[in-house]
Amino acid sequence: GAVVSQHPSWVICKSGTSVKIECRSLDFQATTMFWYRQFPKQSLMLMATSNEGSKATYEQGVEKDKFLINHASLTLSTLTVTSAHPEDSSFYICSGSGAANYGYTFGSGTRLTVV
Amino acid sequence: QKEVEQDPGPLSVPEGAIVSLNCTYSNSAFQYFMWYRQYSRKGPELLMYTYSSGNKEDGRFTAQVDKSSKYISLFIRDSQPSDSATYLCAISRPGNTPLVFGKGTRLSVIA
Repeated sequence: GAVVSQHPSWVICKSGTSVKIECRSLDFQATTMFWYRQFPKQSLMLMATSNEGSKATYEQGVEKDKFLINHASLTLSTLTVTSAHPEDSSFYICSGSGAANYGYTFGSGTRLTVV
Repeated sequence: QKEVEQDPGPLSVPEGAIVSLNCTYSNSAFQYFMWYRQYSRKGPELLMYTYSSGNKEDGRFTAQVDKSSKYISLFIRDSQPSDSATYLCAISRPGNTPLVFGKGTRLSVIA
């Protein structure tokens, strides 16, 4: 089945630094990548929708200058958390969607801890 | 009214029990219905998906959709401790749109 590879699986960074999270669709072309954020014991919260070659569409309340999303190819999308702060600590998950799978396939998630 | 409602539990059952997980939704435009399993600190894993009313079975799992009542269910037979996880229902509209998730139900199967 479709696979989305997400890296890193966990990262610790200092306040003020930037962190990049990568998601790659391994066996399908992800025309759309959805980025989610999940706090402990809560459901997934959609942050942004990114279509290959276009600017991402951010959900209300999500700072586009803080969470930079790039989707330059059909197999790679990245989320960069810029000038990270402790409140950005969370679990970030991507989901790739292509012609054959509407948002079905999720990455394994990245646990970000900002200290 | 939220688009998808799901009781967060927690739900605790003995090993071997039949588990029933449920969600309701409000928008009749939804077409695809999914259940995901999520272990702690992992991404969601697709268990079942369907797009029509009725039952769909896969091993110990049965997904049920009742579009007239806007009600979806997941049944787990002969539950095992390894089934202990959070189960999320997810629904999608036509086209390449993001999934709408329920809150997730935390399930514990006690040996």
